[in-house]
Amino acid sequence: KNEVEQSPQNLTAQEGEFITINCSYSVGISALHWLQQHPGGGIVSLFMLSSGKKKHGRLIATINIQEKHSSLHITASHPRDSAVYICAAAVRFDSKLTFGTGTRLQVTL
Amino acid sequence: DTAVSQTPKYLVTQMGNDKSIKCEQNLGHDTMYWYKQDSKKFLKIMFSYNNKELIINETVPNRFSPKSPDKAHLNLHINSLELGDSAVYFCASSQGWGSNQPQHFGDGTRLSIL
Repeated sequence: KNEVEQSPQNLTAQEGEFITINCSYSVGISALHWLQQHPGGGIVSLFMLSSGKKKHGRLIATINIQEKHSSLHITASHPRDSAVYICAAAVRFDSKLTFGTGTRLQVTL
Repeated sequence: DTAVSQTPKYLVTQMGNDKSIKCEQNLGHDTMYWYKQDSKKFLKIMFSYNNKELIINETVPNRFSPKSPDKAHLNLHINSLELGDSAVYFCASSQGWGSNQPQHFGDGTRLSIL
């Protein structure tokens, strides 16, 4: 079993819908990263958080340390949000990232 | 200006060959990483260097040898390429060593072994 699990694996939404992607981890962490990988392949860091909530434009990331769970929300989704979203746990006392398997999001018109 | 640049973008070669992938970052970061992304899009750390020193060396075959001539560069040399080495390799960098540092990724190098 992977130390970092994401759900759903695949998600199709219509433009304008509110989207939630979930990430659960089984290890102690010092930070949780959310990454976006576009169809062209490049990876962009969206958020890094260790508590509470962060917002950037239409994207919101939350984390509950006690429950070992994080969510990425996209409000008013748009076709350009179509990408693979990956969460990664920065394991405490060990600076490497452990990645989830990714959630493939497709937003249609 | 590209922050983290990798070359080449695509690499097609035959089994048994030796090849190198280069990575350069112009962000002034101290720490650089190599990741491998398999056909199922799963990312895994391979190596990490901090100030030219090897910090992380995951269970990677010793056919893979990273080299960091200076803080801004981390190259990956692969000897005796095998079919299973086909993947996308990503270079990344972060300001410093520590798990709470955001990482900046290159565009990836798609390696295909024939």
